[in-house]
Amino acid sequence: AQKITQTQPGMFVQEKEAVTLDCTYDTSDQSYGLFWYKQPSSGEMIFLIYQGSYDEQNATEGRYSLNFQKARKSANLVISASQLGDSAMYFCAMREGRSNSGYALNFGKGTSLLVTP
Amino acid sequence: EPEVTQTPSHQVTQMGQEVILRCVPISNHLYFYWYRQILGQKVEFLVSFYNNEISEKSEIFDDQFSVERPDGSNFTLKIRSTKLEDSAMYFCASRAGTAPYNSPLHFGNGTRLTVT
Repeated sequence: AQKITQTQPGMFVQEKEAVTLDCTYDTSDQSYGLFWYKQPSSGEMIFLIYQGSYDEQNATEGRYSLNFQKARKSANLVISASQLGDSAMYFCAMREGRSNSGYALNFGKGTSLLVTP
Repeated sequence: EPEVTQTPSHQVTQMGQEVILRCVPISNHLYFYWYRQILGQKVEFLVSFYNNEISEKSEIFDDQFSVERPDGSNFTLKIRSTKLEDSAMYFCASRAGTAPYNSPLHFGNGTRLTVT
């Protein structure tokens, strides 16, 4: 079963506008972490933002913020004031708290974002 | 800023050959990972490594795969007999050992493996 679901395979946004990339997750753990990564066309994986399951406030990092709705099991990424350089694949990922795990991240299928002038 | 380095950036090999992908994780990190990404698809977990042993592996990580930390700095992934379907980008990642939930994985730039 999919642990992380990203329902938007592709998104367009105009420069300087805000965009929301959706992510829903499935876990029975009480303790878990949610992460967003950016993958530009060059291929590297860049960490953007983290949200813990016990964090009461939504995480923010510069132009990135995470809209965390625990009851709905969603962790949407909001990018404000989009820039052309934001064009990339965006992956949502989750780390669960199983004690016998290596605390690996489980990734969604990604959303391709294109920022247009 | 310290980074994870992977070599080579691109490896071409013939089906049935053995390949070794190399990684130097960030020096004070304790957990190490290999992921792969088939072109246009999601990033898939292969294996995690801690305290000189595998702590978790996925169904993809079968007997053809092995990992090793031969010295204090390198972390390698070996594919014993490559298949066409092993063609993918392979990412090494590492993370600090504290606070398992909020420490992000730091990824290398990947090795693109092409099996012909």
